[in-house]
Amino acid sequence: EEQLVESGGGLVQPGGSLRLSCVASGFPFRSYTMNWVRQAPGKGLEWVSSITSSSAYLYYGDSVKGRFTISRDNAKTSLFLQMDSLRVEDTAVYYCARDNVGRIRGVTHNWFDPWGQGTLVTVSS
Amino acid sequence: EIVMTQSPATLSVSPGERATLSCRASQSISSNLAWYQQKIGQAPRLLIYGASTRASGIPARFSGNGSGTDFTLTINSLQSEDFAVYHCHHLYVFGQGTKVEIK
Repeated sequence: EEQLVESGGGLVQPGGSLRLSCVASGFPFRSYTMNWVRQAPGKGLEWVSSITSSSAYLYYGDSVKGRFTISRDNAKTSLFLQMDSLRVEDTAVYYCARDNVGRIRGVTHNWFDPWGQGTLVTVSS
Repeated sequence: EIVMTQSPATLSVSPGERATLSCRASQSISSNLAWYQQKIGQAPRLLIYGASTRASGIPARFSGNGSGTDFTLTINSLQSEDFAVYHCHHLYVFGQGTKVEIK
């Protein structure tokens, strides 16, 4: 079974740091781009960051650029998100999700599957 | 930057009826669109990718359609387990979600 399990969430003060982890199993982790997606309380989904299979390319959303760092350890099938200079507005459930790419009827498509169960990050004084 | 807009924000439907959800892209995205279902306290679950291809294990009552800028997710004969929030997604952008609630 393909599975992603996040950990590392918790309560942190504004300006603090936190490191999230996501452990993958059941699929060739080193072959896939991986993502972090977050969801603030009562809000929609927001893509946070992506990392390609060999870590060659890293991408960030504007709201976290310069504060968050994505990384991975393919030997340990693990994905990480280092979150620094945290703000109250970073409060959310953080999900890791695998990026899938396929070609259907000559068109390239992307979708996220599977997703982890999420880990809650609360930034508050 | 592409913006994905879902409508309506909330859809009230009786069990057994059909629900039609809309997702509009601010510019053409061909058919590169996915739909997810999310229940309270759970992670999103992939329903549809490539605008119309059902993911593994997804019942046939879920169908997706559209290309370019306008997309729909149709749920036929709504079951109790279908009442949830539905999100559309293109690359790094998500719609704001549509909540399907019991009428």
